[in-house]
Amino acid sequence: SQELEQSPQSLIVQEGKNLTINCTSSKTLYGLYWYKQKYGEGLIFLMMLQKGGEEKSHEKITAKLDEKKQQSSLHITASQPSHAGIYLCGAHVTGGTSYGKLTFGQGTILTVHP
Amino acid sequence: DSGVTQTPKHLITATGQRVTLRCSPRSGDLSVYWYQQSLDQGLQFLIQYYNGEERAKGNILERFSAQQFPDLHSELNLSSLELGDSALYFCASSEGQGLDTEAFFGQGTRLTVV
Repeated sequence: SQELEQSPQSLIVQEGKNLTINCTSSKTLYGLYWYKQKYGEGLIFLMMLQKGGEEKSHEKITAKLDEKKQQSSLHITASQPSHAGIYLCGAHVTGGTSYGKLTFGQGTILTVHP
Repeated sequence: DSGVTQTPKHLITATGQRVTLRCSPRSGDLSVYWYQQSLDQGLQFLIQYYNGEERAKGNILERFSAQQFPDLHSELNLSSLELGDSALYFCASSEGQGLDTEAFFGQGTRLTVV
């Protein structure tokens, strides 16, 4: 079973619509990272959240980490075709200091129709 | 461009063979991480090096090995290749080794074992 569960697995929206992707763990998350990937390409860093209740925004993308640090959401406002891709959340779920044990969710495939 | 360089971009080889994947981290980054991404397994952490020393190990097979050299570039060696080893292999680098530094990913090496 996945330590990080992302939902939905895929999402198709019309351009201009808002959308939310969730990332959930049964364990405490020590650092939560959101990446975007275009199929077959490398991961692009979006945001990093560390504190419970933290919220960060970049352009039209907002990410939040809940107070219990077990769930994060990524919200896109007024989606555009350029937002299409695979969104991956990553987190160090078991504690410790090694960034290398970063575990990833299965990803959410976002399609935005013009 | 993330600043992380992976070579080669594509590799096709036969079962039983041995290949070496190379990663040059961003200038100044001391940590290098290797990941394997396949359709059924998602993004799996393999191993992390920091300043030449192994720091963390994930689900890396005994047939696979890696090292980080004094100039900080890293190589991932895959031997006795099997069809199931076909995947995208990513390298990432970060300045530190903890949770407070973001990791930048290369474009990946697509390995096809035939």
